[in-house]
Amino acid sequence: AQKVTQAQTEISVVEKEDVTLDCVYETRDTTYYLFWYKQPPSGELVFLIRRNSFDEQNEISGRYSWNFQKSTSSFNFTITASQVVDSAVYFCALSEAYDTGKLIFGQGTTLQVKP
Amino acid sequence: EPEVTQTPSHQVTQMGQEVILRCVPISNHLYFYWYRQILGQKVEFLVSFYNNEISEKSEIFDDQFSVERPDGSNFTLKIRSTKLEDSAMYFCASRRLTSGRANNEQFFGPGTRLTVL
Repeated sequence: AQKVTQAQTEISVVEKEDVTLDCVYETRDTTYYLFWYKQPPSGELVFLIRRNSFDEQNEISGRYSWNFQKSTSSFNFTITASQVVDSAVYFCALSEAYDTGKLIFGQGTTLQVKP
Repeated sequence: EPEVTQTPSHQVTQMGQEVILRCVPISNHLYFYWYRQILGQKVEFLVSFYNNEISEKSEIFDDQFSVERPDGSNFTLKIRSTKLEDSAMYFCASRRLTSGRANNEQFFGPGTRLTVL
């Protein structure tokens, strides 16, 4: 069965701190895709990154970085030097290959960055 | 930059009434989806649509729900007889066709907040 777990419900940090959001997934497939989406207070869902199961290279995009480890079924997201504008709900999601592409979302982690 | 649009942004209806939520996916996308998010909860898959038919639906998507692509641009979700528990944010999403059936990213619309009284 497909499942995504984001165990951290809420995280609060002070601006400029680094923060890591955890994501653990379950799937029976050997080919799958992992995603992170950001949901700011305005409510829309903003795509951040997609990773396929064959690519375990970590990725960095500005202050954002992602650590994908198949051995622990984790796809963690780190924000370096957090800013107030990073305050949002962050969702990790899973999509299995040879499927309809539907996304299975985790429960989300609410990140509050205080000035 | 092309984006998914949804109308209305907020819909208030009485229990038992029919509602139609509208979406215009990105023009060269071929896969379409509806998701819902009850306030404060996670985003849940409702239905996927490809090649003018439903490709998958969740257990939430019962006989009260239907989807349609009435023309080349719109993608609608109809709830025939709304219930209080249908109150939620409904997101439309689309993604383009890829080779090798790779599951590329979905782009989401801004959502329609449905309130059932």
